[in-house]
Amino acid sequence: EAGVVQSPRYKIIEKKQPVAFWCNPISGHNTLYWYRQNLGQGPELLIRYENEEAVDDSQLPKDRFSAERLKGVDSTLKIQPAELGDSAVYLCASSFPGQGRNTIYFGEGSWLTVV
Amino acid sequence: SQQGEEDPQALSIQEGENATMNCSYKTSINNLQWYRQNSGRGLVHLILIRSNEREKHSGRLRVTLDTSKKSSSLLITASRAADTASYFCATDEGSARQLTFGSGTQLTVLP
Repeated sequence: EAGVVQSPRYKIIEKKQPVAFWCNPISGHNTLYWYRQNLGQGPELLIRYENEEAVDDSQLPKDRFSAERLKGVDSTLKIQPAELGDSAVYLCASSFPGQGRNTIYFGEGSWLTVV
Repeated sequence: SQQGEEDPQALSIQEGENATMNCSYKTSINNLQWYRQNSGRGLVHLILIRSNEREKHSGRLRVTLDTSKKSSSLLITASRAADTASYFCATDEGSARQLTFGSGTQLTVLP
């Protein structure tokens, strides 16, 4: 079974430029998460989707960050414009309700460097 | 915000020794999970312990949970160089279908 797929794996952009990350969750997982992980820290939730509905986006900086999950499958996370402090790893994850109660499966992450 | 705090932040041991990592949290939980992250990779689920369980084993892993002290420990026995990674605890609180991660313990196992 394929895992959570993310792209791109690495991205270097200049500040004020836009960037987008794509995620394909595990087939059948209707819950999708975007986490941000700063160096030396644990992941912090940005947004959680149940199917196509964003049910928790309280930690998403809405002035520059946006996300969508069309048709309740793939998801895109966008930053526009990027700032130096946005340099981090952006992790997508998915889960299936009832499967071990919230066991989450992570992708390999998209590593963003803003210069 | 991060719910769990791991201790120590970094741990270095010799191959064959046991490694113990601790996690403390603040609020009532439904379950607590441990994840591993190799350098440059995503997180991998290791083990889940429910709030009504006190101890759980999986291979060389042993997890304990003390809800009265709001703490958990992860023991890796007979460590191997391949166990070198960051280990994170994560808590599932209340009805929120999400996990809150700690800041992690960086384990280095020297060959």
